[in-house]
Parts: sequence; C-alpha cells; structure tokens
Amino acid sequence: DAGITQSPRHKVTETGTPVTLRCHQTENHRYMYWYRQDPGHGLRLIHYSYGVKDTDKGEVSDGYSVSRSKTEDFLLTLESATSSQTSVYFCAISEVRAGGSYEQYFGPGTRLTVT
Amino acid sequence: AQSVAQPEDQVNVAEGNPLTVKCTYSVSGNPYLFWYVQYPNRGLQFLLKYITGDNLVKGSYGFEAEFNKSQTSFHLKKPSALVSDSALYFCAVREKGDKLIFGTGTRLQVFP
Repeated sequence: DAGITQSPRHKVTETGTPVTLRCHQTENHRYMYWYRQDPGHGLRLIHYSYGVKDTDKGEVSDGYSVSRSKTEDFLLTLESATSSQTSVYFCAISEVRAGGSYEQYFGPGTRLTVT
Repeated sequence: AQSVAQPEDQVNVAEGNPLTVKCTYSVSGNPYLFWYVQYPNRGLQFLLKYITGDNLVKGSYGFEAEFNKSQTSFHLKKPSALVSDSALYFCAVREKGDKLIFGTGTRLQVFP
C-alpha cells in the first residue's frame, strides 16, 4: 500500500465521542487526502492537505477536522461522532509530477463504527 | 464541476471472455482520467491513466482503457477475464486543486 499506514484499522465508538484517525506516509509526498467510502457513493473527499499546516475542505467536510503538523502525518478528527459517520475511511497521498499529471496512492483503510 | 458516471453497478462475465467496465465523464477543458481497482478489505490500487496522447492506454494486470472524446467515455477493457479480476472498479477525473472525483464504482464478477 505505497508506504502508507492508517491507525487504527478498526474502531467501534459511541455517539458523541471524539475520534482521531491517523495516516502516516514514508514517501515524503506533499499532498494527502482523507476520503470516506460508503455503498452507492463511491469515495468522497473529506479534507485534503497540500503541505504542512495547509489544508482545505472537500465535498463532505461537516463534522470533521484535520491537522498536519509534519509532512508524514495527516490526522482526521471526528469532533463528536454520529452514526452517519460509520464508514470506511481511506487516506491517500500524491505528488504533482512534470506535466501536471499525478495519481493518488491509498492506504489500507480504517473501518469505523459509531454505535 | 468535473464528474464521472459509472452506469453499471455490476458487470458479470465468464472467465476467458472479454470484459468492459463503462465510464463517462463531464469536464471543462482536457480531462485527466483514471481507473482504480479495489480488492476486498483493501485500499484502492491505481490501474491506469489518460492524460494526453494515444486514445488506448495500457495499464496494470493486462487492463487497458479507451478514451473517446466524442462520446466522452473512458471504458476499461480486458481481452480475456480472469476469476482473480473480480473486484470493485472506480473511474475518476482530476478536479482543479489536484483532487480526484470518483464514480460510484462497478463491481466486476468473473465466473469460472
């Protein structure tokens, strides 16, 4: 999985609790992304980062925050978990290459269940 | 805004037969298009991309994709399907700001 690890891999939590998911890369890539995957929706972008301390919102950012204090780590926090945030979360990395083309490489995912 | 559509939730094909997984796109400007595959309980794996040049793009595991500008399509193909090709396939298009917009996915089932 392209030098990307995610922790934890599985988590069950209760409604209303905060949850933090971690993405760690060893590739020194500039761009990092958090997606959620739900049946019928494919992958939807939550937040992304284009450098240390540089982040921006994606399509489904409500209820989520992120932080990136080091190149290698990108944290996703669910401020107060809700059942609608039960999902599989994927981290991805990429680097802009000459000509502007790039592809993203994905971590193994975190399965989060909010009860 | 850019978007892609995968009109089929599932595609069934017999092993040894050719397979096609469909994708259509809607973009302003020149499209950057991608195909990814997801095996059970795994992250997405990059298969191939179209940026410019030849309309037929070759990728990993014997897959190829045909870019058709007039039909705004980027269908994934393989001449002879394997049972091990059974997986979830996603088409994606590059969005401004170096983001990807994904389709909803197509489940490919290859029967022995």
